[in-house]
Parts: sequence; C-alpha cells; structure tokens
Amino acid sequence: EPEVTQTPSHQVTQMGQEVILRCVPISNHLYFYWYRQILGQKVEFLVSFYNNEISEKSEIFDDQFSVERPDGSNFTLKIRSTKLEDSAMYFCASSEPGRYGYTFGSGTRLTVV
Amino acid sequence: AQSVSQHNHHVILSEAASLELGCNYSYGGTVNLFWYVQYPGQHLQLLLKYFSGDPLVKGIKGFEAEFIKSKFSFNLRKPSVQWSDTAEYFCAVTSDYKLSFGAGTTVTVRA
Repeated sequence: EPEVTQTPSHQVTQMGQEVILRCVPISNHLYFYWYRQILGQKVEFLVSFYNNEISEKSEIFDDQFSVERPDGSNFTLKIRSTKLEDSAMYFCASSEPGRYGYTFGSGTRLTVV
Repeated sequence: AQSVSQHNHHVILSEAASLELGCNYSYGGTVNLFWYVQYPGQHLQLLLKYFSGDPLVKGIKGFEAEFIKSKFSFNLRKPSVQWSDTAEYFCAVTSDYKLSFGAGTTVTVRA
C-alpha cells in the first residue's frame, strides 16, 4: 500500500536554528499538508499546498514557516528560527484529486532545546 | 470556522466491554468524516471514513461509526474491545482544503 514517507523520524535542534522536515507524498496525490501535534494536545492544521502554492494556512503558520516542493517528489517544511514551543510531532499528509483519502506519514518528532 | 468536539478525554474499560466514543462537529455544509487511531509510539492511522451513502460505516479492526446528520455526530463504536485497542482516537472533519481534528480520546483497555 502506498505510504507517505517522512524523514528524519526524530530531530533535535538548538533554539534559533533552522530545520527542514522532509516528506515524500504518495505519487499520484495532488494535495499536500502539514499538521503538528504538541505533546498532550490535539492535532493542528498548519498548511495545505496545491499546484505549487499554499492554498490555506493557519495562524500558527507564521513567517517563520515555509513550505516547498523542490522537485516532483519531495514536500518540505522549513522553520527558520526554531523556538522551544515548536517542539512537536510534525505530520505530513497527502490526498488524492478531489481531496479525499488523506494519508498521513509517520511523523517527525522535533525537539528544540 | 468548523470545530470538532470529542466528549471523553480518557476512557478506561475492560477487555470484551463495548466502546462508544462521541464526536460532534459544527459545520453546516457538506462534510467528510474520519476516525483516526494512534497507537503508542506510532503514527496516525485511518480507522474509517464517511463521505456519503449508508450512514453506518464499517472500518478496520471491528470498528464502526454512525453519521447522524441531524445531530452533527459521528460516534465510533466497537462491540467488544481488546487490550490491543489501547490507543488515542481522533475524530476529524474535512471541508474545503483541510482536516480539523478533535482533541482526542485516550482509550485504555485493561486485560
């Protein structure tokens, strides 16, 4: 069964550093998403991406965040200057044309120290 | 903006007991509804989904959910739980471009 692949599975970074979280969506999916889950809290929507541009973003997704699809397969989330409160599990997801059938990756646990 | 409410934060029950987790949403338009499960240390997995048709949806691992449009509800059920059902369960609703998740319900099944 096709999977959404995320790397790395765990990243530790120092406050103020830039991090890039990587995702390989399912190949025929056209919509891509980032979500995050802070420990003990609910899963929160960050951003959706379609046709090489952001289609919607939440208030969490401020100027410190950016997304990119640098080639035909990868979908990245960049945090420019990490803060302690960015520590969370970040999930990438993709969906089929018509936006049904979301598939989530296994997540990247980001720890900011 | 749409929101998703899950009634129970933590449910503890014994093996073979029946499980029902409540989920309500607030959105007046056409919605698609999902239940996801997250086992300890693992990623989110889709249990079941409702798009249209029969409001009683059957998913994996013996779970089912019923969509009641008049009540804006999509409750998850399992007639007889197992210890391996210990996990966190998330209800989610989609419209437009995104999913909105409930806060999750932690289910602990005692052997």
